[in-house]
Amino acid sequence: QQQVKQSPQSLIVQKGGISIINCAYENTAFDYFPWYQQFPGKGPALLIAIRPDVSEKKEGRFTISFNKSAKQFSLHIMDSQPGDSATYFCAASITGGGNKLTFGTGTQLKVEL
Amino acid sequence: DGGITQSPKYLFRKEGQNVTLSCEQNLNHDAMYWYRQDPGQGLRLIYYSQIVNDFQKGDIAEGYSVSREKKESFPLTVTSAQKNPTAFYLCASTPPGRPGEQFFGPGTRLTVL
Repeated sequence: QQQVKQSPQSLIVQKGGISIINCAYENTAFDYFPWYQQFPGKGPALLIAIRPDVSEKKEGRFTISFNKSAKQFSLHIMDSQPGDSATYFCAASITGGGNKLTFGTGTQLKVEL
Repeated sequence: DGGITQSPKYLFRKEGQNVTLSCEQNLNHDAMYWYRQDPGQGLRLIYYSQIVNDFQKGDIAEGYSVSREKKESFPLTVTSAQKNPTAFYLCASTPPGRPGEQFFGPGTRLTVL
C-alpha cells in the first residue's frame, strides 16, 4: 500500500523555468512533510520541510505548498538551474511513531539550458 | 568531519551468501535507519533503531537482520533468505529533538550474482 503518491515520475524544465512536483498522502496522522534531493550515486539530502499548521514555506528558490484538506503538498523550484537536475522525493512521517519516513516514488528532474 | 559512513560503496556477492553492510555515524544520533532503494520505487524502510540494543522491523524486513550494540554502529545483514537482494542500500540517522529529519549516508550498491 503506497501511502504517499508522487507525480510526475520525470520532468524536463528549461533553465529559468518553474519546476513543480506534487505529492498526495492518505494517512491524516502524518504531521511532518519533508522533501529530499538526491544526486546520482549519493544519499538523499533534506531540502525543505513543512508541518501542517502552515500552508506554505519558502527557502530561497524552493517553496512547499501544503493543502491539508486535499491531503496534498507540492514542491516548487523557481528559476530552475541545471544544477537542480536530480531526483526529488517527498516524504511524510508521524512525530513519535519512530519518526519513520514514508517516501514517494521520486521525480527525476532535468533542467535543460 | 561529522557524518554517516557506509562501506563498501560497491559490494558483489554470490547468490546464497550472507553479506553485512556497515553503517557508522559520529553525529551522536540516537535513531538510525536502513532503507532499500530500487528504481521507480523510492526508499523503503527495512529496519530502524531508536536506542542501543533495540530495533524494530520496517516495511520490508524479511530476509534482513540488524544489530545495535553501539550507538555509533548499525550494521545490516542481507541473508540468503532475501529473494531479490540486488539494490542500493542507504543508512540514515536522526538528530535528537528534530524528529523526521534524517541524514543519509552515501549508500552501498549491492549486486548479487
